[in-house]
Amino acid sequence: QQQVRQSPQSLTVWEGGTTVLTCSYEDSTFNYFPWYQQFPGEGPALLISILSVSDKKEDGRFTTFFNKREKKLSLHIIDSQPGDSATYFCAPNTNTGKLTFGDGTVLTVKP
Amino acid sequence: AQTIHQWPVAEIKAVGSPLSLGCTIKGKSSPNLYWYWQATGGTLQQLFYSITVGQVESVVQLNLSASRPKDDQFILSTEKLLLSHSGFYLCAWSGTGEQYFGPGTRLTVL
Repeated sequence: QQQVRQSPQSLTVWEGGTTVLTCSYEDSTFNYFPWYQQFPGEGPALLISILSVSDKKEDGRFTTFFNKREKKLSLHIIDSQPGDSATYFCAPNTNTGKLTFGDGTVLTVKP
Repeated sequence: AQTIHQWPVAEIKAVGSPLSLGCTIKGKSSPNLYWYWQATGGTLQQLFYSITVGQVESVVQLNLSASRPKDDQFILSTEKLLLSHSGFYLCAWSGTGEQYFGPGTRLTVL
């Protein structure tokens, strides 16, 4: 049973464009929603996170939106840069340490 | 600032040989520690977690074991490697909810 789904599987955008990644989940007890960014050969790095009591969080060019009713979240990257090229994972959880990662979205930003 | 170190950086091992991977976290007292496995091009799967010295809980075993001999150290090991053990092993620690990952160890089993 796929608990966490991410789409698209891969995405190519032009430099300066807007990237939108989505994540859906099934477990209604999830209340903490981090996004991780992973470059090849490196460990994932926490990019941005949101709690279920909020519907939007912004950090520079990165914004995450949360829709509790639809059990969905999204990550928006404005003014996408080649340096943003990476794999992005969502990992919704109940803040108890058990993270369930999605399959990830491979983002390529072309100059 | 907290730092997390994993060793070795990479390993090439034969099927059936033993393995020991290590992780050390500095600058954080009594962290929760985790081991993850990631297949090439795949997602991350949590293997073990530990909330204190001497206590390790298994999430998915994969014929591996883990130990926490010190507050700042987490060890992943097996006596007999399988081909399916190849991949990227990541150690992580958590503070108030977020988990922070180490640089990882690339394991190739031949």
